[in-house]
Amino acid sequence: SQQGEEDPQALSIQEGENATMNCSYKTSINNLQWYRQNSGRGLVHLILIRSNEREKHSGRLRVTLDTSKKSSSLLITASRAADTASYFCATAVIYNQGGKLIFGQGTELSVKP
Amino acid sequence: DAGVTQSPTHLIKTRGQQVTLRCSPKSGHDTVSWYQQALGQGPQFIFQYYEEEERQRGNFPDRFSGHQFPNYSSELNVNALLLGDSALYLCASSLALAGYTDTQYFGPGTRLTVL
Repeated sequence: SQQGEEDPQALSIQEGENATMNCSYKTSINNLQWYRQNSGRGLVHLILIRSNEREKHSGRLRVTLDTSKKSSSLLITASRAADTASYFCATAVIYNQGGKLIFGQGTELSVKP
Repeated sequence: DAGVTQSPTHLIKTRGQQVTLRCSPKSGHDTVSWYQQALGQGPQFIFQYYEEEERQRGNFPDRFSGHQFPNYSSELNVNALLLGDSALYLCASSLALAGYTDTQYFGPGTRLTVL
């Protein structure tokens, strides 16, 4: 079963606008990651934020993490048509040996030129 | 530097058959995880291999099994295929020393269709 819930499920914006996607999760995490997927192909890692971090930036991406609310958000600034893709948050749970990523259901972003 | 590779790209099987999917991790990586992604859903964790042993397993039946070889490559086997096994199967590699769930690098996936 999915741990994360993402909203919105779909988002349509114009090029140049900002896109914000939210993710909520249920259990304690080691880190939270965001991935992008184009047309049902492999996932591309975008950014990782650790449980003791509150905000992280990478280029046009800004991620926030609120562990007290068990939520995260991904902001893409000045969006481009090439940003059109599905975006997934994934929470990392580590065990004594090994670990796993638990993915949300994703947000489908459409950026219109 | 080769990334994660998977084979085959597409596969069509019938119910009851068995299938083997293959994955070669990114150069230097020693941990391989497998995920199943149904259409319109997020990936679901199947299992993770490190040092040729299954370290963690998700909520999948025993029909799903795997193997990791000394060169760190991995196979996913699914027996007695069901229609519901139709999905994109993703392999991800990482470095255990960096934390089993630090940045994972995904392959392009194998699209399995069960008829």
